[in-house]
Amino acid sequence: EAGVAQSPRYKIIEKRQSVAFWCNPISGHATLYWYQQILGQGPKLLIQFQNNGVVDDSQLPKDRFSAERLKGVDSTLKIQPAKLEDSAVYLCASSLEYALGYTFGSGTRLTVV
Amino acid sequence: AQTVTQSQPEMSVQEAETVTLSCTYDTSENNYYLFWYKQPPSRQMILVIRQEAYKQQNATENRFSVNFQKAAKSFSLKISDSQLGDTAMYFCAFMKLNNNNDMRFGAGTRLTVKP
Repeated sequence: EAGVAQSPRYKIIEKRQSVAFWCNPISGHATLYWYQQILGQGPKLLIQFQNNGVVDDSQLPKDRFSAERLKGVDSTLKIQPAKLEDSAVYLCASSLEYALGYTFGSGTRLTVV
Repeated sequence: AQTVTQSQPEMSVQEAETVTLSCTYDTSENNYYLFWYKQPPSRQMILVIRQEAYKQQNATENRFSVNFQKAAKSFSLKISDSQLGDTAMYFCAFMKLNNNNDMRFGAGTRLTVKP
């Protein structure tokens, strides 16, 4: 089966600019996650979708971050405006059965200068 | 809140030798899952092994096995016959069984396998 697709692979922007990341989960996976991984740290959950509804966005900085999952398939994560501390890898993951773990994409490395 | 601690930021092992990565976690839950993920330079997180808390038997996957000590809240990963391709970051993760089933990660251990 095809894996979790993410784009772009790399992105460099200036602070205060906006950026968007795209994720296409594995077909049939109802649950989709966005994680932020700062260099030297483990991934931190930003938002979780079940189909096209938000299950948990308690750790999403809502003043600058937004995410949507239209039609319950692919998803976009947006940052506007970006800050220097947003520099990180943004990982998307999906799951069919949570007990089996998640399948991750290769992530987008964001550098804010 | 659940926390996951990996006390070894970096480790190294000679090719063909055995290495053990440590992980402890803090929870008041009785039912949960534990995972080890591998993250090579390609950045993709790859599931290595998983353990259900209600199972006493330690999980094994080929050269990878865990030592799950529920009372001690410890979940270590043993890699036998280490290979150069095992070089990567390894993350321990905890999943509480609730409506969200979200996964929480430790800070990771960087493993280097030396030829």
